[in-house]
Amino acid sequence: NAGVTQTPKFRILKIGQSMTLQCTQDMNHNYMYWYRQDPGMGLKLIYYSVGAGITDKGEVPNGYNVSRSTTEDFPLRLELAAPSQTSVYFCASSPTSSANYNEQFFGPGTRLTVL
Amino acid sequence: RKEVEQDPGPFNVPEGATVAFNCTYSNSASQSFFWYRQDCRKEPKLLMSVYSSGNEDGRFTAQLNRASQYISLLIRDSKLSDSATYLCVVNGRSGYALNFGKGTSLLVTP
Repeated sequence: NAGVTQTPKFRILKIGQSMTLQCTQDMNHNYMYWYRQDPGMGLKLIYYSVGAGITDKGEVPNGYNVSRSTTEDFPLRLELAAPSQTSVYFCASSPTSSANYNEQFFGPGTRLTVL
Repeated sequence: RKEVEQDPGPFNVPEGATVAFNCTYSNSASQSFFWYRQDCRKEPKLLMSVYSSGNEDGRFTAQLNRASQYISLLIRDSKLSDSATYLCVVNGRSGYALNFGKGTSLLVTP
């Protein structure tokens, strides 16, 4: 199992550009999440999904959009990049049925800089 | 009050030392508690879950005090490889999401 994979690893955007951060998991997890981590800060939840076709906002959703057309994929879209979106983005997934259903498995992250 | 609060450190300890980290959480209805480890420029990885009765995994011991809304992590016989940031994590109000503390930085020196 590859687990959770993210692409790209690094990206530099200009203000106003758009991009999609890709996330794929091969563990058949229903729950998937997007977080951002700013330097010296805790992870903040952007969006999450409890299954294909179902998404919901987290703590910091402004400026982002998501879709979940398959169990495996959960892309994050930035439409108009702003310097405040400079951060490390982590995708995560968790199992459907588990005594600790909130245990989450993270991808390696995407480091995004907006200039 | 922040959802999860931790002392950011850094904690600098010699090899072989015992070190303890503390964490407090604000949501009394929280049911799931974890310690994650994050190496520099890497993703967080689950270190251990925290159970009401306390639990141990090798050199690591986690304790939960629901009345005080307090979680602790004890590391015995510290190794150089224990150097990392330790994140206290508590399930959020939505039930699915997790609330992460900012982390406590540990540096174990020779």
